[in-house]
Amino acid sequence: GAVVSQHPSRVICKSGTSVKIECRSLDFQATTMFWYRQFPKQSLMLMATSNEGSKATYEQGVEKDKFLINHASLTLSTLTVTSAHPEDSSFYICSARDTVGTGPYNEQFFGPGTRLTVL
Amino acid sequence: DAKTTQPPSMDCAEGRAANLPCNHSTISGNEYVYWYRQIHSQGPQYIIHGLKNNETNEMASLIITEDRKSSTLILPHATLRDTAVYYCIVRASIYYGGSQGNLIFGKGTKLSVKP
Repeated sequence: GAVVSQHPSRVICKSGTSVKIECRSLDFQATTMFWYRQFPKQSLMLMATSNEGSKATYEQGVEKDKFLINHASLTLSTLTVTSAHPEDSSFYICSARDTVGTGPYNEQFFGPGTRLTVL
Repeated sequence: DAKTTQPPSMDCAEGRAANLPCNHSTISGNEYVYWYRQIHSQGPQYIIHGLKNNETNEMASLIITEDRKSSTLILPHATLRDTAVYYCIVRASIYYGGSQGNLIFGKGTKLSVKP
């Protein structure tokens, strides 16, 4: 399958600071990228969907001013957690959908995740 | 909300087949059945997907009932590395636009493969 990378894999920061997480599709172009959040022992929750060159669409209950998403190219999306607080500590996972092919079921590939701990 | 129901956990002996069931009784005609798995502290990994025919790839087989209300993921020879949470997801074609093509995760089945 296609490869999606995330950086950093782990970050610890102080409360009030901002953290940027990068998501890259390494061997394919992704028109659409997704950001998920996963708290311990829970399932993945979709936070937002971003299409290259346009504004992200946020799921209900996700603050767009707190979680800034930029999808500037077909291979890169960034999530910035602004003024992070301890309750933002979580596992953040990005996903990218391959645009190659015309099937209605383009597979969605996931990055390895970023563990954010806010002190 | 997730549109699937899966048992919370299952055990399987190493080397034996693991059969993971999934109920999706409200599946629509334009929705596919997807399976992903998540090994601890990693991102989900795509396994297989299907619409109505049974599918097989190098990782697993997917059996979908004729009425499409349920499916079974089969790992033919489970190994210890197959221990993971397995997610069954129904998803519309992305060509319907909007959020119908998004992958929405339920709670999945925690499969434990034991030696």
